[in-house]
Amino acid sequence: QKEVEQNSGPLSVPEGAIASLNCTYSDRGSQSFFWYRQYSGKSPELIMSIYSNGDKEDGRFTAQLNKASQYVSLLIRDSQPSDSATYLCAVKDNYGQNFVFGPGTRLSVLP
Amino acid sequence: GAGVSQSPSNKVTEKGKDVELRCDPISGHTALYWYRQSLGQGLEFLIYFQGNSAPDKSGLPSDRFSAERTGGSVSTLTIQRTQQEDSAVYLCASSLAPPGTASNQPQHFGDGTRLSIL
Repeated sequence: QKEVEQNSGPLSVPEGAIASLNCTYSDRGSQSFFWYRQYSGKSPELIMSIYSNGDKEDGRFTAQLNKASQYVSLLIRDSQPSDSATYLCAVKDNYGQNFVFGPGTRLSVLP
Repeated sequence: GAGVSQSPSNKVTEKGKDVELRCDPISGHTALYWYRQSLGQGLEFLIYFQGNSAPDKSGLPSDRFSAERTGGSVSTLTIQRTQQEDSAVYLCASSLAPPGTASNQPQHFGDGTRLSIL
């Protein structure tokens, strides 16, 4: 059974701080990793994808992947109240074509 | 370009009725997924279609749930004899995932159908 785990939160950070969201996965064959943001009452939207070990930066967002430790994280720099949402980690092996989602971490950025 | 389109956006029906939910994937996307999300909960995988392959139905919660994908494009999720516990948001996603090849393409979600069973 492939599993993806995340802290459910809520994770509260003050405005301007760095928010760190973590995700672990059980399937060593996983090759593709995605972070989705879901605002309350809305559908998930893709914010980052990462496929290779190391860091990938996009604006205020940095995804970090460590396949040996089966760990992927998302850092949000200079957090804003508009970043308050649930962040979903999704993992995929390239040939299975199906995605496994974590339960999501609820982030609250306090003004 | 057009994203994933779902209809209706809201559906209210009485317990015991059948409902059909529709999903129009992004043009050219061969993979299509259905999920259910209850209030405050995570995504519950229901079913996955990839090209002309047999669908992965492993997430369907009971035989009251079924889904079809006609012509490799539009999909319909049908719930028969609805129960109150079927009330949830039903999300559809599609992905550009050519059959038989490795693919790291992400999913793109529609806005969902909010189903309420009275």
